[in-house]
Amino acid sequence: AQSVTQPDIHITVSEGASLELRCNYSYGATPYLFWYVQSPGQGLQLLLKYFSGDTLVQGIKGFEAEFKRSQSSFNLRKPSVHWSDAAEYFCARGGGADGLTFGKGTHLIIQP
Amino acid sequence: AAGVIQSPRHLIKEKRETATLKCYPIPRHDTVYWYQQGPGQDPQFLISFYEKMQSDKGSIPDRFSAQQFSDYHSELNMSSLELGDSALYFCASSSSGRTSYEQYFGPGTRLTVT
Repeated sequence: AQSVTQPDIHITVSEGASLELRCNYSYGATPYLFWYVQSPGQGLQLLLKYFSGDTLVQGIKGFEAEFKRSQSSFNLRKPSVHWSDAAEYFCARGGGADGLTFGKGTHLIIQP
Repeated sequence: AAGVIQSPRHLIKEKRETATLKCYPIPRHDTVYWYQQGPGQDPQFLISFYEKMQSDKGSIPDRFSAQQFSDYHSELNMSSLELGDSALYFCASSSSGRTSYEQYFGPGTRLTVT
């Protein structure tokens, strides 16, 4: 079965520092990959997506992600985090009318 | 921009009762998905519908059923509720006209079973 792995359960970053959240997907055909962000008790907001073409994709809120087929990875990055970025981040794969398969999530903590 | 609407936002039921959750997709979206998210968990896919037909099925219990109506809204029916059904239930929608089928999530319905 297709799977998504987020190796880091928690990550703590100082405000203004750079951020990288890791995501690995199981081997398979070129996947549709997504990053979502969720604040406590809230819905999931789509940050960005990859399905073909340029392997570096830009998203909302200053986030970007790079698809690396050789490493089966789709890591999320931001050059300078803000306190409002504190949230749960989910990597997901899927596509078409199929349901998404999510990673377990990474909880991002921002230190002042 | 219009978003996915879910109702009710909060629901409290007792064990063995039934519950119905409603989802109104973004206008012109024809595909609807249901997810269940337990406390501290990742969302788990339950079921999806495209053009009123079941499209994909995940870990949906037999006690649950769902359908999509002619106006594309969807309802998730849950019977014989158990304590373990307490969770956030999300609906998402997408448009088959977009290649990547990115899914847009609603705010969720928080179901508490006592």
